[in-house]
Amino acid sequence: KQEVTQIPAALSVPEGENLVLNCSFTDSAIYNLQWFRQDPGKGLTSLLLIQSSQREQTSGRLNASLDKSSGRSTLYIAASQPGDSATYLCAPFNDYKLSFGAGTTVTVRA
Amino acid sequence: NAGVTQTPKFRVLKTGQSMTLLCAQDMNHEYMYWYRQDPGMGLRLIHYSVGEGTTAKGEVPDGYNVSRLKKQNFLLGLESAAPSQTSVYFCASSQGAEGTQYFGPGTRLTVL
Repeated sequence: KQEVTQIPAALSVPEGENLVLNCSFTDSAIYNLQWFRQDPGKGLTSLLLIQSSQREQTSGRLNASLDKSSGRSTLYIAASQPGDSATYLCAPFNDYKLSFGAGTTVTVRA
Repeated sequence: NAGVTQTPKFRVLKTGQSMTLLCAQDMNHEYMYWYRQDPGMGLRLIHYSVGEGTTAKGEVPDGYNVSRLKKQNFLLGLESAAPSQTSVYFCASSQGAEGTQYFGPGTRLTVL
């Protein structure tokens, strides 16, 4: 059974600081990994999908890396803004399903 | 293009009552999923479908049934609701098994 751990559980930073969110998973036989954002009381918004053959994926201020062999992924958010405040979820995909971690709740202070 | 929509947004049931949650997607996706999200448990897969007319069990299928009679719709049924089924339910869809999953806004269900 895939176990996903996200560290830290919560993070509070001043605006403009770079964010580093860590994700580890126990079963490295994954097809891909998705990073999501969830705002309070809302659904999940997909941020990035990294295929198992890729080492990283970028979208605007977001960059996600994947080290499948060690079971780790990291999401970097550059020059954080108050609008980046949300919970970020990491989800590796295998056995026809995504497995989710508990998430990292980010607060960016203006 | 509405993406993934869910009906209803909120519902309160009494123990033993039944209900159906509806998920609809307009992206012509083959795969559809139902998840539940509980505090401290993360999101867990209930059932999924790999195409019209197919369904399969996920991680926590007990107490739920599903149907996929039309490609664009995926229904989640609770035949006899229990307080343990109080949760937020999310539907998702993807083009292929390994494609990006797109989520709906969720249904908040309370069973008294």
